[in-house]
Amino acid sequence: SYELTQPPSVSVSPGQTATITCSGDKLGNKYACWYQQRPGQSPVLVISQDTNRPSGIPERFSGSNSGNTATLTISETQAMDEADYYCQAWDSSSVVFGGGTRLTVL
Amino acid sequence: QVQLQESGPGLVKPSQTLSLTCTVSGGSISSEGYYWSWVRQHPGKGLEWIGYIYDIGNPYYNPSLKSRLTISVDTSKNQFSLKLSTMTAADTAVYYCAMVRGLTGLDDFFASWGQGTLVTVSA
Repeated sequence: SYELTQPPSVSVSPGQTATITCSGDKLGNKYACWYQQRPGQSPVLVISQDTNRPSGIPERFSGSNSGNTATLTISETQAMDEADYYCQAWDSSSVVFGGGTRLTVL
Repeated sequence: QVQLQESGPGLVKPSQTLSLTCTVSGGSISSEGYYWSWVRQHPGKGLEWIGYIYDIGNPYYNPSLKSRLTISVDTSKNQFSLKLSTMTAADTAVYYCAMVRGLTGLDDFFASWGQGTLVTVSA
């Protein structure tokens, strides 16, 4: 079965750029999206179709996808961005989630 | 704006069947371009896709749960449901219902989520 691999944790200083990766075989040939999950809350879509940012999501969130890696980039990271982030893709009509990355802003 | 709300028991005994319902409000479950899914999250763990269904039926299941799983839709009530049989402690999780924005099938995404409901399996 298809797998998406994320680093368990990423740390970033406030105001700096955070980069979260998601790796999968030929992931660049698929579409990736990203969800933010703050503690005790439901997931929220932050990036769809590799690069699209839904209404209401700050411009500092951006995405890319090429080769075997999709990337979520958060520029000018703020304390409110501290959360778990999950990538997601499709494989043969099945949904696949990455294991999640905990972003710590310190 | 569409809202989703899960309902069902918070406690299930081992070997029993879990039944959860998701009520969709603020929009029709038959809205073109959308379909409906269940996702769970074990305590302290990541997201696990359970399955999804279109308003006309035709469910798709996670192969690892397929033998125990039934997802159905009731358009007259604007609801969809999950039944998971032979529950064990390993099924203890927060269960979310979600609305999927259907585009090409390759780039669909989870557009809206319910608040989630914790289901504990214990005697």
